[in-house]
Amino acid sequence: AQTVTQSQPEMSVQEAETVTLSCTYDTSESDYYLFWYKQPPSRQMILVIRQEAYKQQNATENRFSVNFQKAAKSFSLKISDSQLGDAAMYFCAYRSRDSGAGSYQLTFGKGTKLSVIP
Amino acid sequence: GAGVSQSPSNKVTEKGKDVELRCDPISGHTALYWYRQSLGQGLEFLIYFQGNSAPDKSGLPSDRFSAERTGGSVSTLTIQRTQQEDSAVYLCASSLTQYPYNEQFFGPGTRLTVL
Repeated sequence: AQTVTQSQPEMSVQEAETVTLSCTYDTSESDYYLFWYKQPPSRQMILVIRQEAYKQQNATENRFSVNFQKAAKSFSLKISDSQLGDAAMYFCAYRSRDSGAGSYQLTFGKGTKLSVIP
Repeated sequence: GAGVSQSPSNKVTEKGKDVELRCDPISGHTALYWYRQSLGQGLEFLIYFQGNSAPDKSGLPSDRFSAERTGGSVSTLTIQRTQQEDSAVYLCASSLTQYPYNEQFFGPGTRLTVL
């Protein structure tokens, strides 16, 4: 079974600064997807960025980028030019590309609560 | 278009009562997932539907939990004889198909509190 670990329960960043959230995972599979989701107080999970394991290039979405280290099974999220609206819970998630049960459900870490200081 | 909706938004119940949580997926989405988010925990998978069938129920924590989906659309998660440990946010997600290249879109969740 896959596991996802987020070792930072809480982080804070000054507005306009850069912050990096850490995530490690454990899997025996070679092909999979990794995701970062944002959950504001409204509880709505919002997809921030996704990475396909077979792609060596790190994914980027505007101010959000990842550092994907496949051999180390590490998948960190960098938020540049942090904004007040970035304050939320951030979840790292894993999704297999080859599910025996066919469900391809997401496996989540426990989350990192990000605070943005004005 | 409309996103995934869930009702009720919040539910408070007494221990031992049965509750029903509803999920309306995005129209046309064949795959539907239920997850549970307990306090301080990440989301844990409960059950997956493809159409009206549930090929993966491996995450249901006990036989008090059941779910159904009708018309390939609305899904209901039922918890019988609720316990305090059932208190959590229950999130529903849908995707166009079950394949991992299709994004899962989440609803706002139902916060269940068992007194």
